[in-house]
Amino acid sequence: AQSVTQLDSQVPVFEEAPVELRCNYSSSVSVYLFWYVQYPNQGLQLLLKYLSGSTLVKGINGFEAEFNKSQTSFHLRKPSVHISDTAEYFCAVSQVTGGGNKLTFGTGTQLKVEL
Amino acid sequence: NAGVTQTPKFRVLKTGQSMTLLCAQDMNHEYMYWYRQDPGMGLRLIHYSVGEGTTAKGEVPDGYNVSRLKKQNFLLGLESAAPSQTSVYFCASSYQGARLFFGSGTQLSVL
Repeated sequence: AQSVTQLDSQVPVFEEAPVELRCNYSSSVSVYLFWYVQYPNQGLQLLLKYLSGSTLVKGINGFEAEFNKSQTSFHLRKPSVHISDTAEYFCAVSQVTGGGNKLTFGTGTQLKVEL
Repeated sequence: NAGVTQTPKFRVLKTGQSMTLLCAQDMNHEYMYWYRQDPGMGLRLIHYSVGEGTTAKGEVPDGYNVSRLKKQNFLLGLESAAPSQTSVYFCASSYQGARLFFGSGTQLSVL
């Protein structure tokens, strides 16, 4: 079984400031890692994913995340946020083999960007 | 290019009523999923399917049934709705080992 922990339920930040959203996971097998974003009253959109290779992954809208296997973390970062980044962000994990490609999600982090 | 389409978008039920949520995808994906989203709990997997004619239980399957008679469709049924099933339901589809594509959600209220 796998699990995802997003320690911060809400993160307020001023526009143009940097932000980091934390994600830790646990799994007994190799995993793929994802960050999804949900804007109000919409479905989830993929921000970025780690499947293999370089541990630094770049996604859409200037976001990036770093896979740290020893710390079982996959934190999401952006050097300068914009008002339009206000949304809920979900970290998710799936097994590399088997498991039916099911995603296990964290409880989400609400990012609120203020002027 | 429709992607993943869910119907209906909103529904209000009385306790004990039944209903079916329909999910359709036009990307020829093998895998399909039903999740529910509740405040502070993220998304939890209800049921999923790894191919036409197959279904499997997820994390919170009780009170729900599913069917995948056609590859492009995945139906979620509630036989006897309960207030605890008030939630936002999301359907998703994918290829093996790849990203999930999500529908826009169905907001269900059970009174």
